[in-house]
Amino acid sequence: KAGVTQTPRYLIKTRGQQVTLSCSPISGHRSVSWYQQTPGQGLQFLFEYFSETQRNKGNFPGRFSGRQFSNSRSEMNVSTLELGDSALYLCASSLRDRGRDEQFFGPGTRLTVL
Amino acid sequence: GENVEQHPSTLSVQEGDSAVIKCTYSDSASNYFPWYKQELGKRPQLIIDIRSNVGEKKDQRIAVTLNKTAKHFSLHITETQPEDSAVYFCAASFTGTASKLTFGTGTRLQVTL
Repeated sequence: KAGVTQTPRYLIKTRGQQVTLSCSPISGHRSVSWYQQTPGQGLQFLFEYFSETQRNKGNFPGRFSGRQFSNSRSEMNVSTLELGDSALYLCASSLRDRGRDEQFFGPGTRLTVL
Repeated sequence: GENVEQHPSTLSVQEGDSAVIKCTYSDSASNYFPWYKQELGKRPQLIIDIRSNVGEKKDQRIAVTLNKTAKHFSLHITETQPEDSAVYFCAASFTGTASKLTFGTGTRLQVTL
């Protein structure tokens, strides 16, 4: 079974631009969560999508948005990039089933904002 | 919202010794507590998890204990090996699933020969 994949793996953008990151979950997983990882703030939850609907949201500004497609693939968009958005963005997929749930992470997209 | 504190931030042990990492959480509704291991440059990987209806869980050299009254949970690694060197994160969720995890700040474990 293929693992969680993310594209692109590396991105360099400048302030004010926007960026779209993509995540393909493990086959059969309908939940996709996004996290931001930085040395200073650690791993922070952005949002979760399940069956094309946002089910949970973290404490990030509206510049961060996402969506999920019918095949469970998910995209995350960040508009009006700021220097502080430089981070490793991880997505994770799971079955979202109480009692037999495990979240598998993708390799991440490293975003650098100049 | 949920807050998870993790201690210590760094831990150095000799090969063969035990390592203990502790986490406390604030939301009494939290009911799922996973632990992740992240090696340098790699993705976090789940190593063990526990749900609120269980007090302890073991998997070979790794064990996790949960004290719901005190709202803390701990990771225990016995007979440490150099390949155990990594950053370990605890996390908590009130959803009962792996959704919306709140992570601790991480513990860098170094196992020396």
